[in-house]
Amino acid sequence: KAGVTQTPRYLIKTRGQQVTLSCSPISGHRSVSWYQQTPGQGLQFLFEYFSETQRNKGNFPGRFSGRQFSNSRSEMNVSTLELGDSALYLCASSTRGTQYFGPGTRLLVL
Amino acid sequence: GIQVEQSPPDLILQEGANSTLRCNFSDSVNNLQWFHQNPWGQLINLFYIPSGTKQNGRLSATTVATERYSLLYISSSQTTDSGVYFCAVALNTGTASKLTFGTGTRLQVTL
Repeated sequence: KAGVTQTPRYLIKTRGQQVTLSCSPISGHRSVSWYQQTPGQGLQFLFEYFSETQRNKGNFPGRFSGRQFSNSRSEMNVSTLELGDSALYLCASSTRGTQYFGPGTRLLVL
Repeated sequence: GIQVEQSPPDLILQEGANSTLRCNFSDSVNNLQWFHQNPWGQLINLFYIPSGTKQNGRLSATTVATERYSLLYISSSQTTDSGVYFCAVALNTGTASKLTFGTGTRLQVTL
């Protein structure tokens, strides 16, 4: 099976802009989770979607949002970008408790 | 929230050496995973091990859930083992996909 894919892999934006990241899970996986990784805060859980419904949410401001489509593909959106949003954004799909991560999207906010 | 501590934070080994990485967690969990993050940022799942012992080639892991710790053993280390090793857990509250990560152990294997 193909692994988790994320697009784009790299992105440069300026403060105040918004960005949409995409994640395609492993075929058959219905749960998709998003994480943010920064040098200062490490890996932090953003949210999880299952069957198009947000099932869990981390402690991030409302500027961070997501959705899941009927084919389990997921998108996350960050509005009004801040410098501190520069990070590696990782998506994971899971089955029976095991999470499989995609290669990530590196976002740089200038 | 749950606390996850990993030790040591940094480790330098010569190729062929063995090592043990430790993960302590502060609450009961129903999900514990070990990951290896390579230099390109990719997180590779090594073990799903909420309890017991598992082995995969030169790697093995043991989780003692009642004592709230897990160990990752790397034997006969190779330079390709370099990277950051993360332990991640989820609580027994139906949030198995909401992983809390430790701060990682950065491993460097030298020739």
